[in-house]
Amino acid sequence: AQSVTQLGSHVSVSEGALVLLRCNYSSSVPPYLFWYVQYPNQGLQLLLKYTSAATLVKGINGFEAEFKKSETSFHLTKPSAHMSDAAEYFCAVNLGGGNTPLVFGKGTRLSVIA
Amino acid sequence: DAGVTQSPTHLIKTRGQQVTLRCSPKSGHDTVSWYQQALGQGPQFIFQYYEEEERQRGNFPDRFSGHQFPNYSSELNVNALLLGDSALYLCASSFRDPNDEQFFGPGTRLTVL
Repeated sequence: AQSVTQLGSHVSVSEGALVLLRCNYSSSVPPYLFWYVQYPNQGLQLLLKYTSAATLVKGINGFEAEFKKSETSFHLTKPSAHMSDAAEYFCAVNLGGGNTPLVFGKGTRLSVIA
Repeated sequence: DAGVTQSPTHLIKTRGQQVTLRCSPKSGHDTVSWYQQALGQGPQFIFQYYEEEERQRGNFPDRFSGHQFPNYSSELNVNALLLGDSALYLCASSFRDPNDEQFFGPGTRLTVL
C-alpha cells in the first residue's frame, strides 16, 4: 500500500522568500510522485511529476522537487515566493501514470505575506 | 481543447436523495477516475472507468456507482445520500499509459442537508 505524509497543514512565507513544502511517501515499489496545486474553488493542476527519470524535477511557475529515495521524500521548493503562489498544495503517489489511482496527502495551505 | 469539464458546478440535496454528477474527459482520453475531496482533506479515489467498465475501486460503499459511455464521458451516482457525502467531487481523465498524468476537472460541490 502507498501513503503520503505532508508535514505542516499551513505554511506562511514572506513574498520573495524561499518556499519549502514537505512530502514523505511510503511505497512498496518504485513510486511515481506528483505535486498538484489547488486554487480556491478550482480543481487540481499538476505542478510537476517524478517518473523514475531525473531525481530533480522542474515544474511550472518556478517550482521544483527532488526525489530522495534514502529519505523517502519529495519536497517542493521555489526560490522566491509570489503572492499568486498562495494556494493549497497536494503531494500524491501512484504506481504509474494514467491508469492507477492517485493517493494524496492531506495538503498544505501556503500563505504569502506582502 | 476544453480540458476536463464537470456538471453541475454546485448541487444541494437532502439526506436520502440520489444524485448524478457528470464528467466529460479531455479530448482523446479514454480513462476516467472519480475522487471525493472532503473539506480540509486530500482527494480520495472512488473508482475508475475504462472501456465502459469499472476497473478499480477505492474504499467506498456500493451507494457510489458509476457509468462510462461510448464517448468516454462518465457519470457518478450516489444513492441514499448522507450528510458525510458533502464534498467536492473531482473527475480526472487520462490515457492508460504508465507515463501519462491525470488531468482534473474543476469539480462539483455537493452539499447534503
